[in-house]
Amino acid sequence: GAVVSQHPSRVICKSGTSVKIECRSLDFQATTMFWYRQFPKQSLMLMATSNEGSKATYEQGVEKDKFLINHASLTLSTLTVTSAHPEDSSFYICSVDRGRGEQYFGPGTRLTVT
Amino acid sequence: AQSVTQPDIHITVSEGASLELRCNYSYGATPYLFWYVQSPGQGLQLLLKYFSGDTLVQGIKGFEAEFKRSQSSFNLRKPSVHWSDAAEYFCAVGSNQAGTALIFGKGTTLSVSS
Repeated sequence: GAVVSQHPSRVICKSGTSVKIECRSLDFQATTMFWYRQFPKQSLMLMATSNEGSKATYEQGVEKDKFLINHASLTLSTLTVTSAHPEDSSFYICSVDRGRGEQYFGPGTRLTVT
Repeated sequence: AQSVTQPDIHITVSEGASLELRCNYSYGATPYLFWYVQSPGQGLQLLLKYFSGDTLVQGIKGFEAEFKRSQSSFNLRKPSVHWSDAAEYFCAVGSNQAGTALIFGKGTTLSVSS
């Protein structure tokens, strides 16, 4: 299967600062990647669809100015949480769309905002 | 509305006993169905998938699932559970359209007792 990496795996930041999370597709050129958010003991909720070379498509209720997504190449998508607050603390997971509904997931990034 | 329902939030099974995790879906298009497993603090690992053909699919780690269109179900089974199977299990549905995100169920936590 496809190999997807995320960096960092864990990050702690202070309230009001910004954090960038990288998602890399190591063996597949991904036109589309997805960003999910997972609260403790809950399911994955789609935040946005990241499309290479164009603007991301955000799900209803997700603030696009707060969660900036950049998909500048076929192997890299980044999620920047701007002016982070404690309620943004969560587990963020990206996935690579390989077509036919098949997605491969990164290992996730645990964000803690203090 | 498109959705995935996993009726069991938490299941405890004795080691060596059989397991069945339930999943029902509601989806407008031809469903592509998946089961993922997640260990604490980790990303998602694909256990198995169903796209078409034989409705009984085999996956990794001895898991299998059966697609029943008439019941809109895709239940996961394992004949003999091992302690290492304790984890969170997610059922998901998608389509064969590129760029379509998966819809996840809320997950079932599996505990294995000795």
